[in-house]
Amino acid sequence: NAGVTQTPKFQVLKTGQSMTLQCAQDMNHEYMSWYRQDPGMGLRLIHYSVGAGITDQGEVPNGYNVSRSTTEDFPLRLLSAAPSQTSVYFCASSYTFSGNTIYFGEGSWLTVV
Amino acid sequence: AQKVTQAQTEISVVEKEDVTLDCVYETRDTTYYLFWYKQPPSGELVFLIRRNSFDEQNEISGRYSWNFQKSTSSFNFTITASQVVDSAVYFCALSEAGSTGGGADGLTFGKGTHLIIQP
Repeated sequence: NAGVTQTPKFQVLKTGQSMTLQCAQDMNHEYMSWYRQDPGMGLRLIHYSVGAGITDQGEVPNGYNVSRSTTEDFPLRLLSAAPSQTSVYFCASSYTFSGNTIYFGEGSWLTVV
Repeated sequence: AQKVTQAQTEISVVEKEDVTLDCVYETRDTTYYLFWYKQPPSGELVFLIRRNSFDEQNEISGRYSWNFQKSTSSFNFTITASQVVDSAVYFCALSEAGSTGGGADGLTFGKGTHLIIQP
């Protein structure tokens, strides 16, 4: 009963390094998304995908890339990490993007030094 | 644009007291969905409830209840006889299903209310 799985759970990066946060879901959900959570800001949408091969930008997309080659996977790439990207990242999925319950992964704590 | 306001940044009550978490939302759509999520100290986001805009019936689930009032654009959450395990950050969120994004632009979250239940 995996649901939404994110890896890694914790990561420390140096400024300028690149990395990929992995996200996989086993519920055959069409819709997947990435959020970041910062203190006092709630969660904000970074990128989303309504199906394999389709991605779009959310509220705070700068500095992040995504791709959706399969229904199951939706990786988030930081090409050149900056301290401002220190945050907790959540991957989420749902059957469709409209009205269905959105399920979240357990979060990935990223620190950029 | 949609907006969710949780005016209470932090609430502290003594165990067994009742507590209400407020949520006020703004949207131009007539069809939308409201959610509550719980984030315990361990950090994961736990789904609590989803309500669509056409269903104003209040809901009760054990010690939890939700009051949805379209007239005041509010979706408040009450915990009856609070327990220490209820201590968490609670988020209210809104998803629109209108013509512009069809809801694909995801959830708009409030900033959360940190609930502290003291023993």
